Amino acid sequence: GESVGLHLPTLSVQEGDNSIINCAYSNSASDYFIWYKQESGKGPQFIIDIRSNMDKRQGQRVTVLLNKTVKHLSLQIAATQPGDSAVYFCAENGPTSYGKLTFGQGTILTVHP
Amino acid sequence: DADVTQTPRNRITKTGKRIMLECSQTKGHDRMYWYRQDPGLGLRLIYYSFDVKDINKGEISDGYSVSRQAQAKFSLSLESAIPNQTALYFCATSDSQGGLRQPQHFGDGTRLSIL
Repeated sequence: GESVGLHLPTLSVQEGDNSIINCAYSNSASDYFIWYKQESGKGPQFIIDIRSNMDKRQGQRVTVLLNKTVKHLSLQIAATQPGDSAVYFCAENGPTSYGKLTFGQGTILTVHP
Repeated sequence: DADVTQTPRNRITKTGKRIMLECSQTKGHDRMYWYRQDPGLGLRLIYYSFDVKDINKGEISDGYSVSRQAQAKFSLSLESAIPNQTALYFCATSDSQGGLRQPQHFGDGTRLSIL
């Protein structure tokens, strides 16, 4: 079936470094992608989204890159801070999914002071 | 997201009991969802509702039922709980305004343990 997955389950970085979290998706028809951050004891929090007619989108300290050729999505966090430590999920939505998201397994980001 | 409230936040119960998890939202969104999260897995969709009269099964609806009492309320029931339904449950909402491509906003979850 369709799936969204991550290359790396864990990522450790030093405070101030840039972080890159990767996601591979298998459904070539997917046309909408979202990154979520989940802190311990909380629900997923929306970070940034991107539609398939774009290959890059920037937010505050975050950038999402979409490579449709290889079905790959990445989240870049600039100047990573300890408060960025969390689990990060990518999710995708296909054109016939009517708002239903398919989530990846998640990457644990740990930021060391 | 404080605009999406789930109750209870934690629940421990026994096999065979009926359980209801409730979700209410003040975001004014018309679409609501229930997900389940297990360790090592992403969120999996149980049921979703695009308006008060619309209920749809997700990928893992067996053993669950839902009720959309109002636009702002969406409850999930386990008619006869079993231990493999022990998980974190999340409610989410999204807005149909602006098209199908809108992010979902999540509550802080209910941790359910079935003994």
